Amino acid sequence: AQKVTQAQTEISVVEKEDVTLDCVYETRDTTYYLFWYKQPPSGELVFLIRRNSFDEQNEISGRYSWNFQKSTSSFNFTITASQVVDSAVYFCALTSYSGAGSYQLTFGKGTKLSVIP
Amino acid sequence: SQTIHQWPATLVQPVGSPLSLECTVEGTSNPNLYWYRQAAGRGLQLLFYSVGIGQISSEVPQNLSASRPQDRQFILSSKKLLLSDSGFYLCAWSVSGTPQFFGPGTRLTVL
Repeated sequence: AQKVTQAQTEISVVEKEDVTLDCVYETRDTTYYLFWYKQPPSGELVFLIRRNSFDEQNEISGRYSWNFQKSTSSFNFTITASQVVDSAVYFCALTSYSGAGSYQLTFGKGTKLSVIP
Repeated sequence: SQTIHQWPATLVQPVGSPLSLECTVEGTSNPNLYWYRQAAGRGLQLLFYSVGIGQISSEVPQNLSASRPQDRQFILSSKKLLLSDSGFYLCAWSVSGTPQFFGPGTRLTVL
């Protein structure tokens, strides 16, 4: 069975601080994808990144960076110099192949990030 | 480019009334379609997914049902709503192993 654990339920930081959101996953699949989504107060889930299980290179996109470590089954997300607009709930997710061309996402419970001005 | 629409955006319904939520996708063909529910303060729960017209898989047995009458249309229904059906309903689409892209959601309150 697939499982994604986001141990941090809520985090508060002061603007311009760096913050890391943790994600630990469990899967028996050798090929899988990991994702991060952002859910602002409006509710819509915004796709941030997808990582293939064979690609352990860290990735940086502006103030966002992701650290994928297969050895510890972790896919952590760091926001550098946080801003108020980063306030949202962040979800980590893992795919599983459900057959007939369909991939299902297993979501963590999310981490609510509040950036205080 | 692809876009996904959901309506209505918000809905308040009495217990026991029927429900119909609609999701449509533009700009892609033969997508996989998904319905999720997010209860207040909780994570996302996959309700249904579909890999093609008329093909529906249910993840959680409940009083909800889904239908896919057209390639890019996905409908979530109920004959009689329960209080526990309140939540935020999200539709999503994907192609093969690509990310799932989500619609704006429908906020349902059952009174």
